[in-house]
Amino acid sequence: NAGVMQNPRHLVRRRGQEARLRCSPMKGHSHVYWYRQLPEEGLKFMVYLQKENIIDESGMPKERFSAEFPKEGPSILRIQQVVRGDSAAYFCASSPPVRVNTEAFFGQGTRLTVV
Amino acid sequence: DAKTTQPNSMESNEEEPVHLPCNHSTISGTDYIHWYRQLPSQGPEYVIHGLTSNVNNRMASLAIAEDRKSSTLILHRATLRDAAVYYCILYNAGGTSYGKLTFGQGTILTVHP
Repeated sequence: NAGVMQNPRHLVRRRGQEARLRCSPMKGHSHVYWYRQLPEEGLKFMVYLQKENIIDESGMPKERFSAEFPKEGPSILRIQQVVRGDSAAYFCASSPPVRVNTEAFFGQGTRLTVV
Repeated sequence: DAKTTQPNSMESNEEEPVHLPCNHSTISGTDYIHWYRQLPSQGPEYVIHGLTSNVNNRMASLAIAEDRKSSTLILHRATLRDAAVYYCILYNAGGTSYGKLTFGQGTILTVHP
């Protein structure tokens, strides 16, 4: 059973370009969470999605950032018109449908560098 | 979200036990205590969780104070691979925090050979 798969592992974008980060949850998991870790800082929650629904996007920046989790395929975190401050590690986590006190499984992250 | 307080850093020698403390004086009755760790350049990894009773698994033990206002993660024999940032997180399955983990600064554990 493969773990949470994120790709690419490393992504370099020039200022103004778009960045697309992909996350394939573990098999059977229908809940996906995105977190961002800025250099030398802790992880910050961004968004929580279930299939075809955004449940909680309270941690998403108001502009340029969007996330989706379609019925088929991976979850996508999209950053439009990237700026240097978007350089960070972006982690995806998944959990099974009923999550009362069970663990979340994290991917290895995508390290975005904006030049 | 209820807040946790952890020391910024701790050090240990290899093969010795490590006790990582966490204070959570505002914990509510339905908050679970979760521990995750993050190895260098890796995603966070679940370690253990508990509600009221002490818990053991293959990775660690979790000792929870009787009043639940503090807990201690115990690594019985630290190895070099245990060097990581350890996060103590209060998780409430209900309400608006459902599914969301709130990470603090964690404790940086250094293990000396």
